[in-house]
Amino acid sequence: GQSLEQPSEVTAVEGAIVQINCTYQTSGFYGLSWYQQHDGGAPTFLSYNALDGLEETGRFSSFLSRSDSYGYLLLQELQMKDSASYFCAVRNRDDKIIFGKGTRLHILP
Amino acid sequence: NAGVTQTPKFQVLKTGQSMTLQCAQDMNHEYMSWYRQDPGMGLRLIHYSVGAGITDQGEVPNGYNVSRSTTEDFPLRLLSAAPSQTSVYFCASRGQGPYGYTFGSGTRLTVV
Repeated sequence: GQSLEQPSEVTAVEGAIVQINCTYQTSGFYGLSWYQQHDGGAPTFLSYNALDGLEETGRFSSFLSRSDSYGYLLLQELQMKDSASYFCAVRNRDDKIIFGKGTRLHILP
Repeated sequence: NAGVTQTPKFQVLKTGQSMTLQCAQDMNHEYMSWYRQDPGMGLRLIHYSVGAGITDQGEVPNGYNVSRSTTEDFPLRLLSAAPSQTSVYFCASRGQGPYGYTFGSGTRLTVV
């Protein structure tokens, strides 16, 4: 089987930095993705890591450690519009993409 | 505009009725998937396809059928609707390589 664990909720202050962790158990691991979803909207793709290390895209960065089956999404200079749910997702060798249950990010002014 | 188009956006069914959720993409993507989203459950994979003529089951396939006769279209059929299938359904597609899914806007289905 496969499973992904991420915190259900995280709270941070506007302008600060927040890290959302994701641990996974799966066979045939290819890569880890992150998606953002605002209330009532569809998920949108943020980043993908296939190799160990940090990928940076503007204010967002994503990290992967294959040996630890662990990754995180780092959001810097938080803005109120970053209030959303964030999902990690694993891509397997059979090309299935399985999502975690999501982390709801609350941002305080 | 290029993207993934889902129809209908809203649907109410009676228990036992059947229907088809439509999904079409115009990006020539090989990979397409159907997910359902329920509160606190994240996105759960129903069925997916790696190309025309090829489909496979996901995490929660029971009660649903799919077919992929063309690259563009990936309809999801509910055979006999049950209240447990009340959910938001998302269709998604992606191309080759390390790219993420593009999601449709979703179908909100209520089974009474």
